[in-house]
Amino acid sequence: AQSVTQLGSHVSVSEGALVLLRCNYSSSVPPYLFWYVQYPNQGLQLLLKYTSAATLVKGINGFEAEFKKSETSFHLTKPSAHMSDAAEYFCAVRLSGTYKYIFGTGTRLKVLA
Amino acid sequence: EPEVTQTPSHQVTQMGQEVILRCVPISNHLYFYWYRQILGQKVEFLVSFYNNEISEKSEIFDDQFSVERPDGSNFTLKIRSTKLEDSAMYFCASRGIRDRNQPQHFGDGTRLSIL
Repeated sequence: AQSVTQLGSHVSVSEGALVLLRCNYSSSVPPYLFWYVQYPNQGLQLLLKYTSAATLVKGINGFEAEFKKSETSFHLTKPSAHMSDAAEYFCAVRLSGTYKYIFGTGTRLKVLA
Repeated sequence: EPEVTQTPSHQVTQMGQEVILRCVPISNHLYFYWYRQILGQKVEFLVSFYNNEISEKSEIFDDQFSVERPDGSNFTLKIRSTKLEDSAMYFCASRGIRDRNQPQHFGDGTRLSIL
């Protein structure tokens, strides 16, 4: 069965530090992968997507993610955290042939001053 | 930038009552979705809708649920007889048709509270 695993339900980083949010997927075929961000009391906003065109994907707000097939990972990074990055981040996968997204359990990012 | 809008933002309903959650997808989008997020849990797929019919649904989407596109702009989710466990945030999403890889765009959600 297709699934997405996000390691770490809560991650804290200092302002200016590297942000690393982990996402691993299980799929027998190449998936389509997404990262969404949810700010308090708001909906899901697309950060970036992987659709097999390039393994390193750049998104909005300085975030990027690298697809590593050998590790079945799609970790989200940002070189320098900003206070405004505090939010919940969701990794999602869409299998070829279906249109539904399967979401991970989310990682709440806290940025410390 | 066009966005998906959902109303109401918060709905409080007595158990056993019917509730309709409303969504206005992005105007040129043709694929529509509902997801839900129970407090503290992950976002779960409910149903996808295309060309006036359900294209895919999850096991959560039982006979108590229905979806409809009553006109050219609205997309609704109806829960016929609500249960306490239906309390959740419900997200509507839409996607364009031109590119199958286009991501789904989500609304801000409706928080449904069943008393």
